[in-house]
Amino acid sequence: QQPVQSPQAVILREGEDAVINCSSSKALYSVHWYRQKHGEAPVFLMILLKGGEQKGHEKISASFNEKKQQSSLYLTASQLSYSGTYFCGTDRSGGYQKVTFGTGTKLQVIP
Amino acid sequence: DADVTQTPRNRITKTGKRIMLECSQTKGHDRMYWYRQDPGLGLRLIYYSFDVKDINKGEISDGYSVSRQAQAKFSLSLESAIPNQTALYFCATSAGGSWGRDEQYFGPGTRLTVT
Repeated sequence: QQPVQSPQAVILREGEDAVINCSSSKALYSVHWYRQKHGEAPVFLMILLKGGEQKGHEKISASFNEKKQQSSLYLTASQLSYSGTYFCGTDRSGGYQKVTFGTGTKLQVIP
Repeated sequence: DADVTQTPRNRITKTGKRIMLECSQTKGHDRMYWYRQDPGLGLRLIYYSFDVKDINKGEISDGYSVSRQAQAKFSLSLESAIPNQTALYFCATSAGGSWGRDEQYFGPGTRLTVT
């Protein structure tokens, strides 16, 4: 079952902040975040695991509410390079890395 | 050189034809995945393999088959292509062994059109 992402699309001006949300109806082991620029492959941003462990990008932060099965990705002081589609992926397999991706949030940063 | 490569990068084929998409990696990873991407639907898992002898179906395996020829090679076949298999196909790898802490590395994708 795919996680639900919101918003589906957002337009920001440089320097503005954005939050992208990801929610699941099932208990999660971990949440993964990827960014895909137009015409390119998805690129890893972050992994958040049960218990609070995180691994990922230095300039991007995220949270994982285990009780609500929700994750949020925080993009602060956005830059033009942040433009792209952001995918969250959820892993319910207890670490077997079977990730189910959401439908994506398209982020456009304009000057 | 790219760590994860896919061939071909673009392919147009006719309904009913058999087609194979190939993925190779030089990262030394045990785990390999095949996804398809359709506009508005995100990435959907077709098959995944944790090692040469361990192959598993994903969410949408019907109409597809795979072969893991070696640690570095994972091929996706469409036995009889149909138009709704027109999509962008991605191969990905991950190291495994660290219990869910591994990022996936994606190849550049293969754009497949079935007419």
